[in-house]
Amino acid sequence: GAGVSQTPSNKVTEKGKYVELRCDPISGHTALYWYRQSLGQGPEFLIYFQGTGAADDSGLPNDRFFAVRPEGSVSTLKIQRTERGDSAVYLCASSQSRGLTEAFFGQGTRLTVV
Amino acid sequence: SQQGEEDPQALSIQEGENATMNCSYKTSINNLQWYRQNSGRGLVHLILIRSNEREKHSGRLRVTLDTSKKSSSLLITASRAADTASYFCATDANQAGTALIFGKGTTLSVSS
Repeated sequence: GAGVSQTPSNKVTEKGKYVELRCDPISGHTALYWYRQSLGQGPEFLIYFQGTGAADDSGLPNDRFFAVRPEGSVSTLKIQRTERGDSAVYLCASSQSRGLTEAFFGQGTRLTVV
Repeated sequence: SQQGEEDPQALSIQEGENATMNCSYKTSINNLQWYRQNSGRGLVHLILIRSNEREKHSGRLRVTLDTSKKSSSLLITASRAADTASYFCATDANQAGTALIFGKGTTLSVSS
């Protein structure tokens, strides 16, 4: 596609439920990032993929959060047993490679846990 | 964790004035980037400056980088109401496998 696509754009879920957020990066981009952003804050790093592997998952807050990128393109962020504190905008970005290139962002998924 | 810290947190100016935002970071880097965000959704890349560069221009944007002080500044000249947005710096720390880390941002408000 022309840009990074994230689905759904909005998700409301009940506390304790499981959610999946999807990211379709720009074709050919090997690097893919997940961030979450709370109101008035900067994007908080969650996980970074280089190809199919998670090169850095140090930002995942706890073991309820997991992300995959099985074929090196589409990625899914999975959150188990959601909590109200998980409510945020989840942003995905991709770039041609790590390092000296810009990252292209999707419009994000606004997750609300009620 | 957040690598960069922008300063000021908020800035209000009149159209036509210049806006300067600063960013400090903690570790050595490969490059530093500035992004803009409207309405709390997707970020848009503005400019990238490499660690061996000291200054870069793009239209009304001027970015400086001082690696000895671990700081960068973004100058927007002749600001317009449409420049109203949040601005973030992001760094790619100089270690293999590390990600692009953002600061907390500066919220710029330009009034006409």
